Amino acid sequence: DQQVKQNSPSLSVQEGRISILNCDYTNSMFDYFLWYKKYPAEGPTFLISISSIKDKNEDGRFTVFLNKSAKHLSLHIVPSQPGDSAVYFCAASVTLSGTSYGKLTFGQGTILTVHP
Amino acid sequence: NAGVTQTPKFQVLKTGQSMTLQCAQDMNHNSMYWYRQDPGMGLRLIYYSASEGTTDKGEVPNGYNVSRLNKREFSLRLESAAPSQTSVYFCASTTNHGTGTFFYEQYFGPGTRLTVT
Repeated sequence: DQQVKQNSPSLSVQEGRISILNCDYTNSMFDYFLWYKKYPAEGPTFLISISSIKDKNEDGRFTVFLNKSAKHLSLHIVPSQPGDSAVYFCAASVTLSGTSYGKLTFGQGTILTVHP
Repeated sequence: NAGVTQTPKFQVLKTGQSMTLQCAQDMNHNSMYWYRQDPGMGLRLIYYSASEGTTDKGEVPNGYNVSRLNKREFSLRLESAAPSQTSVYFCASTTNHGTGTFFYEQYFGPGTRLTVT
């Protein structure tokens, strides 16, 4: 049972436009969410995170929105740049449990291609 | 700071062979993790070590063993490799607040691409 799902395997966007990547989760215990970016032949790198006590977190061109009632989060990239072309993974964690130890559950990833 | 390093970068094994994947971090992190990435599956947790001297199973531990050698190093061993273990393996590390219940984001190594024939 996939607890974190990214239903769009790929997304293609024109440079300068907005990219919106979506993620759904089923486990209501998840209370911390992260987005990672991955280039080919490299490890994932942390992009942005959000705690369940917030519904929005912004860092430069990247904004993550969390809708707890819908169990849905999204990553907005504005404006999109060709260098943003990568695989994007959302991940979730249960932090309120004393035994979570930072374990992450990942979605399948979405390949973002930004065309010049 | 090198961050998280992994060796080797690539490896080809025959079915039944054994090998150890090495991971080291120089960020003084308490917790370390091993993930595998397969096409269409995202990253799945194999084993983790919350702190030096402890290890525990993740989502897909079968066929693997781990050793937390010291605070810096966390190795993953395949005792008898199978074609189903063909994957890209990532090591990650993180640290936690003093309360011990909230963890920062994980930092990942560059990965080891393993093929079992």
